[in-house]
Amino acid sequence: QSALTQPASVSGSPGQSITISCTGTSSDVGTYNYVSWYQHHPGKAPKLMIYDVSKRPSGVSTRFSGSKSGNTASLAISGLQAEDEADYYCGSYSSISDVVFGGGTKLTVL
Amino acid sequence: QVQLQESGPGLVKPSGTLSLTCAVSGGSISSTNWWNWVRQPPGKGLEWIGEIYQSGTTNYNPSLKSRVTISVDKSKNQFSLTLSSVTAADTAVYYCARASQVAVFDYWGQGTLVTVSS
Repeated sequence: QSALTQPASVSGSPGQSITISCTGTSSDVGTYNYVSWYQHHPGKAPKLMIYDVSKRPSGVSTRFSGSKSGNTASLAISGLQAEDEADYYCGSYSSISDVVFGGGTKLTVL
Repeated sequence: QVQLQESGPGLVKPSGTLSLTCAVSGGSISSTNWWNWVRQPPGKGLEWIGEIYQSGTTNYNPSLKSRVTISVDKSKNQFSLTLSSVTAADTAVYYCARASQVAVFDYWGQGTLVTVSS
């Protein structure tokens, strides 16, 4: 069981918007603004999409955005495209074990 | 562009020791970054294993700390992972990754599957 809880799967049609949640505790997401999100196409290296809750690295599309409320962080993707289909993982600093990740969410673009 | 590449045996016997190396190219391992190992068991999420700084300072996941050692070889621009007393539960894809700041992994290797089996 992963330290951060994510839905196993989400789906949406091209052009639509989706949100993926990531629920932690006061030892991680709820206290620290060190939440990051990663896109992972199987067989490839994971890619950093969001860090520090809502910051985008250079080169990442503005269609990706992050937010946080209480113990839950969220990744939003607008204008869904076929290439967005991938697994998404959240990660956070933790006062207990330094770094914790979520179990991953499989995004399907219908 | 920084690139990381994992290497090591794909099969380890139970009770044995898992050893992997991560070669860093396109950047110096002596930069102000932390170098990490992360794993993903089949069908499960990511698990942080630990990290090392160029000075040799390490931090480990408390759940694995008694079995993990991470070391750095600045002359070869690489760092390594050893995990002792492995069981089938240690079967996973192992990734190396660079952390540019707290809990931010900005570069990853493609991962290498290690299977623990007799």
